[in-house]
Amino acid sequence: EDQVTQSPEALRLQEGESSSLNCSYTVSGLRGLFWYRQDPGKGPEFLFTLYSAGEEKEKERLKATLTKKESFLHITAPKPEDSATYLCAVQAANTGNQFYFGTGTSLTVIP
Amino acid sequence: ETGVTQTPRHLVMGMTNKKSLKCEQHLGHNAMYWYKQSAKKPLELMFVYNFKEQTENNSVPSRFSPECPNSSHLFLHLHTLQPEDSALYLCASSQGDRGGETQYFGPGTRLLVL
Repeated sequence: EDQVTQSPEALRLQEGESSSLNCSYTVSGLRGLFWYRQDPGKGPEFLFTLYSAGEEKEKERLKATLTKKESFLHITAPKPEDSATYLCAVQAANTGNQFYFGTGTSLTVIP
Repeated sequence: ETGVTQTPRHLVMGMTNKKSLKCEQHLGHNAMYWYKQSAKKPLELMFVYNFKEQTENNSVPSRFSPECPNSSHLFLHLHTLQPEDSALYLCASSQGDRGGETQYFGPGTRLLVL
């Protein structure tokens, strides 16, 4: 059973067209939910950590939110340089403190 | 050097070769990890070390052998690999492995097994 599901698998946006990426999870006893950005051929780059429902964090055009079952990564007025794969991971008490990753959302922002 | 570094960045090896991947973290962390990333699949955790002691081994085949001589260095020794082992191998580190601690990743080693 998948612990983490990300949607959509791929997303194409026009520059300036805001949207949201979804990460839903089924673990209990959440210790942390993590968002990363990954460019082709590179390692994941850390963006945000969220610990409890209702928490929000922002960085430039990105805002991450968390509920008891899912997290959203909101992208406001994206630019072409925001094109990347966005990965979500969860760590929970019932997963032995391991990180479980989703398969990612591939975002393309068209000029 | 800053963050997490990995060498080599690219590696091509035959199935009978022996090679090693190296990871070094400059963040003062105590836990280090090896992950495997294959196309269209989630990152797979392979090994976890905390304070140089192995705390996780996710049923990884014995042709992969990790080594952690100290909290800053991590190696992955490879021998008699199979073509399906071709993937991006990522190293990560965190302050500890108790839970809720952010992992920081290196750039990865792209491995191709012929």
